[in-house]
Amino acid sequence: DQQVKQNSPSLSVQEGRISILNCDYTNSMFDYFLWYKKYPAEGPTFLISISSIKDKNEDGRFTVFLNKSAKHLSLHIVSSQPGDSAVYFCAASSEGGKLIFGQGTELSVKP
Amino acid sequence: KAGVTQTPRYLIKTRGQQVTLSCSPISGHRSVSWYQQTPGQGLQFLFEYFSETQRNKGNFPGRFSGRQFSNSRSEMNVSTLELGDSALYLCASSPQTAEKLFFGSGTQLSVL
Repeated sequence: DQQVKQNSPSLSVQEGRISILNCDYTNSMFDYFLWYKKYPAEGPTFLISISSIKDKNEDGRFTVFLNKSAKHLSLHIVSSQPGDSAVYFCAASSEGGKLIFGQGTELSVKP
Repeated sequence: KAGVTQTPRYLIKTRGQQVTLSCSPISGHRSVSWYQQTPGQGLQFLFEYFSETQRNKGNFPGRFSGRQFSNSRSEMNVSTLELGDSALYLCASSPQTAEKLFFGSGTQLSVL
């Protein structure tokens, strides 16, 4: 039972354009959502998060949008750079619960 | 502050053997979580320990076990290894709750 789903295994974007990564979830009890970035041979690193009381959170070039009615969140990366190429995981949790991850989307930013 | 440290970095075992992986969390972090990463499956939650007690558990068979010591260091054990256990095993720590996690670089386990 995949509670957090990233339906696009890969995404290719031109340098300088916006990258949009999507994530859907099924558990309405989730109240905290995060995005992690992972390079090969390294562990995931935290990128940005959002609480269910908000619908948008911005940090530099990264913005996360949450649509609770659709159980959908997205990560927007403006001015994408080759260094942004990595696997991006979305994750969700409920109070006191474990962090559940999606399958990941591999972003490739081409010069 | 030192990050999450996992040892060994790489491990090769044969079917039927058992293996122990080690994780040292960030100093002051009391929650340690373990995840298995395989291609196409993302990060699958194994278990979480807090103050030496297992607080959450994923849907893995009993061959997968773990423990946490009083200094918050954690070990994960897999007995009777199967080919399908080949994966990257990631340990993550957090101060209290298992929400915002800080990950180690993982142990790459290959079962032959």
